[in-house]
Amino acid sequence: KQEVTQIPAALSVPEGENLVLNCSFTDSAIYNLQWFRQDPGKGLTSLLLIQSSQREQTSGRLNASLDKSSGRSTLYIAASQPGDSATYLCAPWGQGGKLIFGQGTELSVKP
Amino acid sequence: GAGVSQTPSNKVTEKGKYVELRCDPISGHTALYWYRQSLGQGPEFLIYFQGTGAADDSGLPNDRFFAVRPEGSVSTLKIQRTERGDSAVYLCASSSRVAGVGEQYFGPGTRLTVT
Repeated sequence: KQEVTQIPAALSVPEGENLVLNCSFTDSAIYNLQWFRQDPGKGLTSLLLIQSSQREQTSGRLNASLDKSSGRSTLYIAASQPGDSATYLCAPWGQGGKLIFGQGTELSVKP
Repeated sequence: GAGVSQTPSNKVTEKGKYVELRCDPISGHTALYWYRQSLGQGPEFLIYFQGTGAADDSGLPNDRFFAVRPEGSVSTLKIQRTERGDSAVYLCASSSRVAGVGEQYFGPGTRLTVT
């Protein structure tokens, strides 16, 4: 059974810092991996999708890497802003495309 | 274009009652997923439809939970004899490609409270 762990569980940083969120998963036989953000009381917003043949994806200030063999993914956020404050969720894809989520990293960026 | 919509946004029901939660996927998306998110946790997979058929229902917790997608578009998650432990946010997502390729887009969720 796939298990996903995200470290740290919570993170508070001053505005402008670069930061890294970590995700590890136990079963490396995944298809893709997706990173989401979730604002309080809201649904999930997809940030980046890394397909199984890729090693990283970039969108603006966000960069996500995937190392299937070691069961790890990282999300790098450059020049953090208060608007980045949210919970970030990592989700490897299982068979059929079902997402297996970690508990998330709650990020707070202080102005 | 319109995203995934879910109704109702909030549902309060008494223990033992029956509830239906509705999901309208993005038009043309063939895959539809239901997840459940308890407070402080990541979402947990419940069931996945490809077209009208349930391709994987391994996440449904017990036989009180059932979902349908009769015309391959709108889906309804049905919960019988609700229990307080069913209280959670129920999330729906849809995807435009065959499973394993298409990015999933989520709706805002239905917050279910069982009193």
